[in-house]
Amino acid sequence: GENVEQHPSTLSVQEGDSAVIKCTYSDSASNYFPWYKQELGKGPQLIIDIRSNVGEKKDQRIAVTLNKTAKHFSLHITETQPEDSAVYFCAATDSGSARQLTFGSGTQLTVLP
Amino acid sequence: NAGVTQTPKFRVLKTGQSMTLLCAQDMNHEYMYWYRQDPGMGLRLIHYSVGEGTTAKGEVPDGYNVSRLKKQNFLLGLESAAPSQTSVYFCASGWTEAFFGQGTRLTVV
Repeated sequence: GENVEQHPSTLSVQEGDSAVIKCTYSDSASNYFPWYKQELGKGPQLIIDIRSNVGEKKDQRIAVTLNKTAKHFSLHITETQPEDSAVYFCAATDSGSARQLTFGSGTQLTVLP
Repeated sequence: NAGVTQTPKFRVLKTGQSMTLLCAQDMNHEYMYWYRQDPGMGLRLIHYSVGEGTTAKGEVPDGYNVSRLKKQNFLLGLESAAPSQTSVYFCASGWTEAFFGQGTRLTVV
């Protein structure tokens, strides 16, 4: 089955700096890669996703890049703000009948004021 | 539009007791999932359903049962709770652009 590794497990940045979180996956059939943000005491919330036919996707201060050859994808947050502090999870899945998301172990991002 | 609603939000069980967690969604999604979240381990899939009347095992199904009698509801049961089942449980609805509930924090003593 799919295995997703996520790094780093914790990340601290100064407000206004950029943050990058990286994930690798094992199953070459995976073709959908979402990123979730989880605030304390809440459920994960989708913030951006990318499909395998696209190399990069942006949404305001957030971007995701995908390298299918190397089987890794990354989340980039620019101009970080204190409200970006949360746990971020990457995930991967294929479009087979099971359609199961496999999650990385999470990154605790802290934006220091 | 409530999205995904989980009940209860908190529960303390004694070892050997049983309970049912309820997940309700109002988005007409076919796919629904139950995950558990433990520190440092991300979200692990317990069981999932691809439509009304169907269920399937995920990565960590032992000790849990599920039912999907109605499309909008997905129930997770613990027949005989064990301390190892102390966790935060999340229900999700939808495959791409999945929506998560607020979670159920379960402690088994």
